[in-house]
Amino acid sequence: EPEVTQTPSHQVTQMGQEVILRCVPISNHLYFYWYRQILGQKVEFLVSFYNNEISEKSEIFDDQFSVERPDGSNFTLKIRSTKLEDSAMYFCASNHRDLNTEAFFGQGTRLTVV
Amino acid sequence: GNSVTQMEGPVTLSEEAFLTINCTYTATGYPSLFWYVQYPGEGLQLLLKATKADDKGSNKGFEATYRKETTSFHLEKGSVQVSDSAVYFCALSETQGGSEKLVFGKGTKLTVNP
Repeated sequence: EPEVTQTPSHQVTQMGQEVILRCVPISNHLYFYWYRQILGQKVEFLVSFYNNEISEKSEIFDDQFSVERPDGSNFTLKIRSTKLEDSAMYFCASNHRDLNTEAFFGQGTRLTVV
Repeated sequence: GNSVTQMEGPVTLSEEAFLTINCTYTATGYPSLFWYVQYPGEGLQLLLKATKADDKGSNKGFEATYRKETTSFHLEKGSVQVSDSAVYFCALSETQGGSEKLVFGKGTKLTVNP
């Protein structure tokens, strides 16, 4: 069964460092998303991406965040200068809305900023 | 904006007990409604969905009915198993432009004891 894969599963980084979280969406999907879940809180939408551009972003997704689909298979989330409050589980998701499919989620990357 | 409120956990049940996890929503328009499940160490998986009022989603013995009049989508299962232990998330979809994002509740942790 096709699945969304995320790497790494756990990333520890020092405050102020840049991190890149990687995702490989399902191959025929067209819409890509990042969500995050701070420990004990809701899963929150960060950004959606379609046709090589951001289609919507939340207030959380400030200038420190960026997304990219560099090679037609990977979908990355970059945090330029991490803060302690960026520590969270980050989920990538994809879907093919033209086929009316639901969003498929990856297993998540746990980011710990120290 | 749209929001989802679900029953605070954790919920602890004995095997074969009846499960209800309450979920209510606030939304403009007519969103689709979802229950996602997160088993320990895994990502979010779609459990069931309903796309319009009075629809019933069902999967693996779980059911939820889209009730527009009460703006609810309560999750039920008649007889839980130890393997149902997980965190359950209620969610609705918001469509803006070409993007469809999910708005999640906080999650309810279910533990089923043998």
